[in-house]
Amino acid sequence: GAGVSQSPRYKVAKRGQDVALRCDPISGHVSLFWYQQALGQGPEFLTYFQNEAQLDKSGLPSDRFFAERPEGSVSTLKIQRTQQEDSAVYLCASSSRLAYNEQFFGPGTRLTVL
Amino acid sequence: AQKVTQAQTEISVVEKEDVTLDCVYETRDTTYYLFWYKQPPSGELVFLIRRNSFDEQNEISGRYSWNFQKSTSSFNFTITASQVVDSAVYFCALSEAGAAGNKLTFGGGTRVLVKP
Repeated sequence: GAGVSQSPRYKVAKRGQDVALRCDPISGHVSLFWYQQALGQGPEFLTYFQNEAQLDKSGLPSDRFFAERPEGSVSTLKIQRTQQEDSAVYLCASSSRLAYNEQFFGPGTRLTVL
Repeated sequence: AQKVTQAQTEISVVEKEDVTLDCVYETRDTTYYLFWYKQPPSGELVFLIRRNSFDEQNEISGRYSWNFQKSTSSFNFTITASQVVDSAVYFCALSEAGAAGNKLTFGGGTRVLVKP
């Protein structure tokens, strides 16, 4: 079956531009997570959805970051007025309803802000 | 707050050698879960193993084994008879029972290079 997919795989933005990153989780997965991975570091949690409800957004670094999952499946992470420090790989993961099942990760979107 | 530390940044071995990756964690929860993930050059994180805080039994799964010791807050991972395909970055991660969903806190990763 299909895994988690993300698009685009690579995105180059000029500083100040808005970007939108898409995540298609595994069909039927209730939980969806976004992580940010800076070069040479481990992923860091950004936000969590259970179905369409955003239950935890404590990791979003600023109010320029916004995530949504309106129909409980596809999710979009939007970054407004991008800054150079936003350059990173953005990873999406999904997991099933069962508690503490492993998270399945997508290939990530590599964002470079010039 | 929870924290995961992987002191080894890079390990280089020759094929067929064993590799042990260290992981030390901090948490105030009594119920938590520990994970190891592999990130090959393609970039996609691959789940390897999960352990809960109530089960300190160490196991072997194929060429992978792990050593979980609550007394020292360590969750070490060993690859036996390493292969070139094992070359990747390995991440240890922690999930607390009280966290919304099961968000993961990752360590900084250990890059493993297996030379033929």
